[in-house]
Amino acid sequence: EVQLVQSGAEVKKPGESLKISCKGSGYSFTNYWIGWVRQMPGKGLEWMGIIYPGDSDTRYSPSFQGQVTISADRSTSTAYLQWSSLKASDTAMYYCARHSVAGTYNYGMDVWGQGTTVTVSS
Amino acid sequence: QSVLTQPPSVSGAPGQRVTISCTGSSSNIGAGYDVHWYQQLPGTAPKLLISETINRPSGVPDRFSGSKSGTSASLAIAGLQAEDEADYYCQSYDSSLRGVFGGGTKLTVL
Repeated sequence: EVQLVQSGAEVKKPGESLKISCKGSGYSFTNYWIGWVRQMPGKGLEWMGIIYPGDSDTRYSPSFQGQVTISADRSTSTAYLQWSSLKASDTAMYYCARHSVAGTYNYGMDVWGQGTTVTVSS
Repeated sequence: QSVLTQPPSVSGAPGQRVTISCTGSSSNIGAGYDVHWYQQLPGTAPKLLISETINRPSGVPDRFSGSKSGTSASLAIAGLQAEDEADYYCQSYDSSLRGVFGGGTKLTVL
């Protein structure tokens, strides 16, 4: 079964760092673009950025460039989303998702992780 | 303010047909980029409903269909059912090949 399993919920204080994960299984992890999507409480979906695990080619939305870092570890089939200094406004659900066709991200995202809730509060 | 504009809400009675619009610009949909549609049931992760503007992934009922014209795209749902009540999002790319989502549309089945 093709699946993405994300790390568990996090509660952090402003200024702290955080790295959440998304582990792929059941397919060739290195050949499919992985995207990260933010959903703030009661709000819509926001495209954050994507990574191609095969060569770590990464693209960011202008809204998230410099605010987060997307990375991947081919040896463990895991993608990551990290913050160096969290803000209260980073409180949200974060989803990872796989693009449906190998080698390109022009197609829809067909496999989604279950989501990771990040709460940032003093 | 989302790059792609969707109506905040639509509604319809069981059995009816509803459409959800997604309006972009010459920088995204109008530039020829495909539109993808996602369904998000309450408390769950989004699910791919329509890919590459018109294609239904395996398992998606043929009651769901997509189309595009100019700078806009549409999702049509025929034979509305209670389980279709959800949030629907369109997604495309802009000229810098960064993804953009619509603001989402809440579908209510009356």
